[in-house]
Amino acid sequence: AQKITQTQPGMFVQEKEAVTLDCTYDTSDPSYGLFWYKQPSSGEMIFLIYQGSYDQQNATEGRYSLNFQKARKSANLVISASQLGDSAMYFCAMREGRAGSQGNLIFGKGTKLSVKP
Amino acid sequence: DAGITQSPRHKVTETGTPVTLRCHQTENHRYMYWYRQDPGHGLRLIHYSYGVKDTDKGEVSDGYSVSRSKTEDFLLTLESATSSQTSVYFCAISGTGFGTDTQYFGPGTRLTVL
Repeated sequence: AQKITQTQPGMFVQEKEAVTLDCTYDTSDPSYGLFWYKQPSSGEMIFLIYQGSYDQQNATEGRYSLNFQKARKSANLVISASQLGDSAMYFCAMREGRAGSQGNLIFGKGTKLSVKP
Repeated sequence: DAGITQSPRHKVTETGTPVTLRCHQTENHRYMYWYRQDPGHGLRLIHYSYGVKDTDKGEVSDGYSVSRSKTEDFLLTLESATSSQTSVYFCAISGTGFGTDTQYFGPGTRLTVL
């Protein structure tokens, strides 16, 4: 069974609009971390945002926020005010174990976001 | 940005030849990882290291070996490359302690095995 599921292979969004990228996860470990990475066409993997399983508030980093719904096991990425430079692949990833446990990341297959001018 | 470099950035080789990819970091981080990225699979862990000379296998370790003789360098070796090892290889690093386990990635190495 997949541990990280990203159900949207591709998405389009109009420039300046908000967009939500879906991610659901599966783990029986009460301690885990959830990460989002961006991969532009140039190929590098860029860390965007992190949410710990015990964090009480949703994580935010500038225009990125993580809509964390623990009971539903979902960790959706919300990008506000989309920009052309946001066009990229986006990967959701999970680390099982407590923060600092250095477990390896399990990645979803990604969502390709295209921002239209 | 984390100081991570990978070399070479691109390589074309023939089936059966040995190949070594190098990851170098300037952050003095304890943990280093090698992933491969293939279409439809996201990134998958090959091997990782939790200190000098301390390594362990990941999800897709068959056909790969690693070595770490210095904190800053983590080498990935394909003893006898096969076409199924054509992929993009990413190195990542992470620190120690609470809140420092975010993995930061190098620029990647595109390997083609003919």
